[in-house]
Amino acid sequence: AQRVTQPEKLLSVFKGAPVELKCNYSYSGSPELFWYVQYSRQRLQLLLRHISRESIKGFTADLNKGETSFHLKKPFAQEEDSAMYYCALPQRGGYNKLIFGAGTRLAVHP
Amino acid sequence: GAGVSQTPSNKVTEKGKYVELRCDPISGHTALYWYRQSLGQGPEFLIYFQGTGAADDSGLPNDRFFAVRPEGSVSTLKIQRTERGDSAVYLCASSSTTGELFFGEGSRLTVL
Repeated sequence: AQRVTQPEKLLSVFKGAPVELKCNYSYSGSPELFWYVQYSRQRLQLLLRHISRESIKGFTADLNKGETSFHLKKPFAQEEDSAMYYCALPQRGGYNKLIFGAGTRLAVHP
Repeated sequence: GAGVSQTPSNKVTEKGKYVELRCDPISGHTALYWYRQSLGQGPEFLIYFQGTGAADDSGLPNDRFFAVRPEGSVSTLKIQRTERGDSAVYLCASSSTTGELFFGEGSRLTVL
């Protein structure tokens, strides 16, 4: 069955420290994966998708098929990065029919 | 113009009552999705419309849940005989056919 696992509920770091938000998935075939972010009092929004191989707000994510992971990384965290982060995977039958992980709250302290 | 709009933002109801939640997608977006987010969980897919028809309703938990999109724009999620377990944030999202998904702010449903 398709599944997305985010093992950490909370990740707490200091400003300027590196950040890695973990995401593991189970999927047969070549998946497309997404990271969504929800800042305080804002709506859920797309941060990045692996197929575009871009860096958004300093974040990158590399698909590792061998480890079935899609970890989100940023070399130097900023306070404004504090938010809920969700990893997501399309289910069979729809590009935006997504399975989300339970989310990781990133708290960046000054 | 504006993003995805959902009303009401908060709804408190009693067990057994009927509830309607409304979603107004971004103009021109043909695809509309409903998700449900329970406390401490990620969003969970419920139903997807392409135009006026429900293309995939496999995520609806049971027959108490129903959604419509009669003119291919606004959608209404209807919940009959509400139960305490239906309490959650109901999220609507829209997209162009294969484009980025844009979410609304959600409707928080509390069933007492």
